[in-house]
Amino acid sequence: EAGVTQFPSHSVIEKGQTVTLRCDPISGHDNLYWYRRVMGKEIKFLLHFVKESKQDESGMPNNRFLAERTGGTYSTLKVQPAELEDSGVYFCASSRLQETQYFGPGTRLLVL
Amino acid sequence: DQQVKQNSPSLSVQEGRISILNCDYTNSMFDYFLWYKKYPAEGPTFLISISSIKDKNEDGRFTVFLNKSAKHLSLHIVPSQPGDSAVYFCAATNPFLTQGGSEKLVFGKGTKLTVNP
Repeated sequence: EAGVTQFPSHSVIEKGQTVTLRCDPISGHDNLYWYRRVMGKEIKFLLHFVKESKQDESGMPNNRFLAERTGGTYSTLKVQPAELEDSGVYFCASSRLQETQYFGPGTRLLVL
Repeated sequence: DQQVKQNSPSLSVQEGRISILNCDYTNSMFDYFLWYKKYPAEGPTFLISISSIKDKNEDGRFTVFLNKSAKHLSLHIVPSQPGDSAVYFCAATNPFLTQGGSEKLVFGKGTKLTVNP
């Protein structure tokens, strides 16, 4: 069974540009989560999809962040326009209902 | 305010000895706790978990202890091996605390464990 995959693995962009991160969950996992770790800090929750519906987006920092999960399969997280403080590692995780979350390798975003 | 705290940023132990990683939490409503292990450039990997109705859970070399009255949990690794060297994250959850019943995880900052040969 393939694990959670994320693309790209790294992204370096300039302030004001747009970046789109993609997450492919484990097949059959209805739950999909986005988390972010800013350097030196804890991993923080951003939002949670159940299938294509946003269950909880209480962790989204502001309206520059837009997450979608069309068709309940893969998800994208777009940052537009990117700011310096958006730099960090963005993790995606997936799970079956009420089961363990499995994390992807993360996308390392650097905003210059 | 951090609800899950790992006050030791790093820990160094000798191979074969016990590693004890600690975690404190402030929200008494958390009802499920997890430990994740993370190697550089990889995502966190689930290690072991414990429900708030238990005080101990064991899986091979790994044991998690939960002290609800102290709001404290610990991960014991016995015996420690060099391959255990990684960052260990403590996490907590309770879907009844969150919007829409989300099982979002609340993480600590992590403890970097180094096991020396």
